[in-house]
Amino acid sequence: AQKVTQAQTEISVVEKEDVTLDCVYETRDTTYYLFWYKQPPSGELVFLIRRNSFDEQNEISGRYSWNFQKSTSSFNFTITASQVVDSAVYFCARGNSSASKIIFGSGTRLSIRP
Amino acid sequence: GAVVSQHPSRVICKSGTSVKIECRSLDFQATTMFWYRQFPKQSLMLMATSNEGSKATYEQGVEKDKFLINHASLTLSTLTVTSAHPEDSSFYICSATGVAERGGSETQYFGPGTRLLVL
Repeated sequence: AQKVTQAQTEISVVEKEDVTLDCVYETRDTTYYLFWYKQPPSGELVFLIRRNSFDEQNEISGRYSWNFQKSTSSFNFTITASQVVDSAVYFCARGNSSASKIIFGSGTRLSIRP
Repeated sequence: GAVVSQHPSRVICKSGTSVKIECRSLDFQATTMFWYRQFPKQSLMLMATSNEGSKATYEQGVEKDKFLINHASLTLSTLTVTSAHPEDSSFYICSATGVAERGGSETQYFGPGTRLLVL
């Protein structure tokens, strides 16, 4: 199976600190997609980003940024100036296309302390 | 934006009964729907892939006779947990793939999930 590994099970930081969530993926495919989702306590998945394998440009969206490195098969997610509302479980995932089944990593539980 | 709904949002049932969970794409036609299961403090695990008008494809280890999936239309898929037992208690999430916006690409949209508790 082509796994997605999120080695950090839980992270706890103080508000306003920067935090990076790691994601390493396995793939034998040339074309694939990578995703990040946020799951707050309510349980509903919140889509954050989708990136295809041909686009290695890093992305910034407000306080969120993503670093895609094909050479190391990593797709890390950084939250700058974290806030308490960022507390959630974050999942990294991959799929063969933008609409195919998604394989999720084990998730990282992020706690932001006031 | 695209919306996928699930009904009910939570359900409690007695052991041995069957429970049906609906997944609907509200403003687009879904060619494919997926069903995932998430146990507490664990990740989402794909259970099955459902295409409209055809039999669902189940992942290894998922009992197709226990988790019946029907994808009768392009906007509705149902998951029926038959003869539910306490170990079936979980968070069930569906997703639907389609093109929700004109000129957009095919995308997968997740429903809000259904919490099942079997007593």
